[in-house]
Amino acid sequence: GAVVSQHPSWVICKSGTSVKIECRSLDFQATTMFWYRQFPKQSLMLMATSNEGSKATYEQGVEKDKFLINHASLTLSTLTVTSAHPEDSSFYICSATPGQESSEQFFGPGTRLTVL
Amino acid sequence: GQNIDQPTEMTATEGAIVQINCTYQTSGFNGLFWYQQHAGEAPTFLSYNVLDGLEEKGRFSSFLSRSKGYSYLLLKELQMKDSASYLCAVKNSNYQLIWGAGTKLIIKP
Repeated sequence: GAVVSQHPSWVICKSGTSVKIECRSLDFQATTMFWYRQFPKQSLMLMATSNEGSKATYEQGVEKDKFLINHASLTLSTLTVTSAHPEDSSFYICSATPGQESSEQFFGPGTRLTVL
Repeated sequence: GQNIDQPTEMTATEGAIVQINCTYQTSGFNGLFWYQQHAGEAPTFLSYNVLDGLEEKGRFSSFLSRSKGYSYLLLKELQMKDSASYLCAVKNSNYQLIWGAGTKLIIKP
């Protein structure tokens, strides 16, 4: 099956620093990638949808200047949390799909971010 | 608005059968998904229904009724490892996935 990787799997950083999370589709070309955030005991919250070569579409309430998304190639998307604060501590998960109409999203293993 | 409803938590006994229901109201419909998520891990795909009826895959089956906006996930011969959250998600007319809050399933010996 299709494999999506994320790096790093966990990160601890100081408040005010920026953190970059990478999401890669290893054996398929991902036309569309999605970034989710999940707080403890809550469901997935879609943050943004990114299509290769174009600007990401952010969900309502997600600050695009704080959560920078780059989808420079068909196999790589990055999420940068700028000037991270403790309230940004969460589980960040990416998913990828070969095409908009594809029947399935393939999820990465997630990145746990802790901001001190 | 769009919403997905599923029970918050369910408890079942090892070896038994459990049915997790999901009702949805979305702008259009392009398929319904069930995912399993263990604590601290990313979701893993279980099933996909786009036509009415039952899809069976081993111990897991998923049913869809589009006219009723209803689906269920049926888990048979429950094992302790089935303890997890089960997420229902619907792809709407814009091909966006709308997620339910998940059902936490607790399996007791």
